[in-house]
Parts: sequence; structure tokens; C-alpha cells
Amino acid sequence: AQTVTQSQPEMSVQEAETVTLSCTYDTSESNYYLFWYKQPPSRQMILVIRQEAYKQQNATENRFSVNFQKAAKSFSLKISDSQLGDTAMYFCAPFLCAGNMLTFGGGTRLMVKP
Amino acid sequence: NAGVMQNPRHLVRRRGQEARLRCSPMKGHSHVYWYRQLPEEGLKFMVYLQKENIIDESGMPKERFSAEFPKEGPSILRIQQVVRGDSAAYFCASSPEQGARTEAFFGQGTRLTVV
Repeated sequence: AQTVTQSQPEMSVQEAETVTLSCTYDTSESNYYLFWYKQPPSRQMILVIRQEAYKQQNATENRFSVNFQKAAKSFSLKISDSQLGDTAMYFCAPFLCAGNMLTFGGGTRLMVKP
Repeated sequence: NAGVMQNPRHLVRRRGQEARLRCSPMKGHSHVYWYRQLPEEGLKFMVYLQKENIIDESGMPKERFSAEFPKEGPSILRIQQVVRGDSAAYFCASSPEQGARTEAFFGQGTRLTVV
């Protein structure tokens, strides 16, 4: 069974500062995709960033970037210049090509403080 | 292009009743996924469907739960004889093709409360 571990149940950060959310996963596959989703209080699942495992370059989307360490099976999310609207639950979700679904971690609740 | 539409947003059922949750995928999407989210937890995969076919139902309980995605109309997740433990948020996601080559778009979920 696939396991996805987000070891930080809750985190807080001051507005405009940088925060890193950690995620580790377990797989024997070499080809897969990794996603970070954001779930604000509205409960809508919003894609933040995606990474293809075959790409060595870390993905970046504006203030969001990842640190993908394939050998360590680690996929952390860095949020720079945190904004109040970043307050949400963040879920790490690998998608293994042999499987048919995203597997979600337990989530990290991020609070951005003014 | 409307996003993934789920209805109802909120559903209250008494124990023993049936719950029917609907999901209309984005236009052009033929792959639908259902997930369940318990409070303070991540989403758990239930079932993956293509038009008229169940591809993977490994996450769906064998009893009382069923899903379909007919040729015409929305995907339906049906829960028969609901129990309190079925109370959760149920999310539907759709994608235009299998796998994660493109983004899976999520609906806003249906919150089921069993009283």
C-alpha cells in the first residue's frame, strides 16, 4: 500500500515570511507525478503545483516551489512571501502511474498570521 | 467552461435512508474519481470510473456503496442504508484522460450528515 506522510499537522508563519511544508512517500515506481493541493475553508481542492518524477528540475509556480528529492522520496513545498490567503490545509498527493488515483497525505494546516 | 459540479452541497439523511450524490465532470472529461474526506483527514480514494465502466473500485466498501457513470448524465455515488459513520465530505474529480498527465479538477464536494 502506498503511504504518504506529512509530519507537520499544523504550522504557522508570519505574513511575508517563508514556510516549508514537508512530505514523504513510499513507492517502488520510477515514473510518477506529485501534486500539492490547497484546501481553504471553502473546502474547494485547488491545485498548487505539480512535479513529474522524471524531471530533475524542481517545479516553480510564482511564490510556490518544491524541493523534490527522488532518492529520499521527499517532496516539500516552499511558500515564499506568505499571504493571508494562503491560510488553508495543504495536501501532498502522489499519483503513481501503475495506480488509478491520487493518494493523499493527512494534510498540514497552515495559518498565516498578520 | 463550468468546473466540476457536485450536488447537493449539503445532504442530511436519517439512518437507514439512501443518499445519492451527483457529479457532473468538466466538459470533455471522461474520467471521474470519487474521494471521501473525514473531518481533519486527507481524501481517501473510493472509485474511478470512465463512461459506462468502473475501472477501479478498490477503495469503495463492498456493501451499501455503488457508483455509476452512464453514457449520458452525471456520475452518481449511491449509499444505501446510511449509518452515522458515512458522515463525511465526498469529493468528485474529473480529468480528460487517465493518469496525471493533466490536472484532476475537483468539485466543491457534498457534505453528507447522517442523523
